[in-house]
Amino acid sequence: GAVVSQHPSRVICKSGTSVKIECRSLDFQATTMFWYRQFPKQSLMLMATSNEGSKATYEQGVEKDKFLINHASLTLSTLTVTSAHPEDSSFYICSARDPQGAVDTIYFGEGSWLTVV
Amino acid sequence: GESVGLHLPTLSVQEGDNSIINCAYSNSASDYFIWYKQESGKGPQFIIDIRSNMDKRQGQRVTVLLNKTVKHLSLQIAATQPGDSAVYFCAENTGGFKTIFGAGTRLFVKA
Repeated sequence: GAVVSQHPSRVICKSGTSVKIECRSLDFQATTMFWYRQFPKQSLMLMATSNEGSKATYEQGVEKDKFLINHASLTLSTLTVTSAHPEDSSFYICSARDPQGAVDTIYFGEGSWLTVV
Repeated sequence: GESVGLHLPTLSVQEGDNSIINCAYSNSASDYFIWYKQESGKGPQFIIDIRSNMDKRQGQRVTVLLNKTVKHLSLQIAATQPGDSAVYFCAENTGGFKTIFGAGTRLFVKA
């Protein structure tokens, strides 16, 4: 079964509103989670690294004030798309690292489809 | 954000044939490489991985080859099946557990 869960799997929001996507690690505590964005027919682009108890680290070109990341617990990271616009419509995917596993044990969620109308 | 390329090349193979999907990675400091399979509307699914101190690793019906000299990675799928149809991504990890994805290849399996 899935060890990383995302919610919601699909969301439609109106332009100008904010929407929150959750990423949960189900069977382990994740000190580090990652958020990706994927446009149709394109690859996954890393947006930011979410660290429990500290500020997220954003990749170059990703607006931290637009994509708010909160990693308040060892099992939950949230991505909030603020003042969403149609160009923010995309597939958002998170991954989480299991620190008890091998250094390379990364699990991906099933993704969240965001449509901004 | 980081990415490697914005195109999705396509590979079409006959059911039962072997498939070879290639990938060029960018960072010579990367020490861990992963192949993922992504079906439409779903998250990436781990297929096989390889560390930089190896040049070949085999799994069930899949083999990954790593050529560090030319920074090239390949995924070989034996006896390709219709269920193998998906987009395949190579990914590299440069430490810090940050995984960077390649451009991806769409695999079509013809029955």
